[in-house]
Amino acid sequence: NAGVTQTPKFRVLKTGQSMTLLCAQDMNHEYMYWYRQDPGMGLRLIHYSVGEGTTAKGEVPDGYNVSRLKKQNFLLGLESAAPSQTSVYFCASSYKGLADQETQYFGPGTRLLVL
Amino acid sequence: GNSVTQMEGPVTLSEEAFLTINCTYTATGYPSLFWYVQYPGEGLQLLLKATKADDKGSNKGFEATYRKETTSFHLEKGSVQVSDSAVYFCALLPSGNTPLVFGKGTRLSVIA
Repeated sequence: NAGVTQTPKFRVLKTGQSMTLLCAQDMNHEYMYWYRQDPGMGLRLIHYSVGEGTTAKGEVPDGYNVSRLKKQNFLLGLESAAPSQTSVYFCASSYKGLADQETQYFGPGTRLLVL
Repeated sequence: GNSVTQMEGPVTLSEEAFLTINCTYTATGYPSLFWYVQYPGEGLQLLLKATKADDKGSNKGFEATYRKETTSFHLEKGSVQVSDSAVYFCALLPSGNTPLVFGKGTRLSVIA
């Protein structure tokens, strides 16, 4: 099993450009998440999905959109990148239900620099 | 609301020293509590967890006890190694079907 993979690993964008980050998991997990990690801020949840075809907003959703067309994939889109979106983005997934047993499995991260 | 507060780092220790990283939480109901670790250049991975009061989670020599009376889940290790250098995140899973809430992380550096 590859676990959780993220594409690309690193990207440089100019302000106003768009891009899509891809997250894929092969563990048949229902739940998937996108976080951003910034110095001194810890991890902040951007959007998440509780199943195929569903999405929900997290703590910092503005400027991002997501889609979960297939159970194994969760896409994060930036329509018009801004320097404030320079960050490291992590995708994670977890099993459905059993809330007290939930373990999230994280991908290796995507480093994004917006100039 | 739900929140997690961790001691600020960085924490620098010599090899074989005792480690404590403080974590306190605010939550309604009965959350589950977690410690995640992030090694340099990697994503987070679960270190240990506890799902009810007085439970002790343990893994790789690390321990944390779920203390409801003090709303705490402090991480401890008796003798740290250089390989323990990482960022440690405390997290809580609230009651109900809502996502994890993470603390800001504590960076640990262990020197030989």
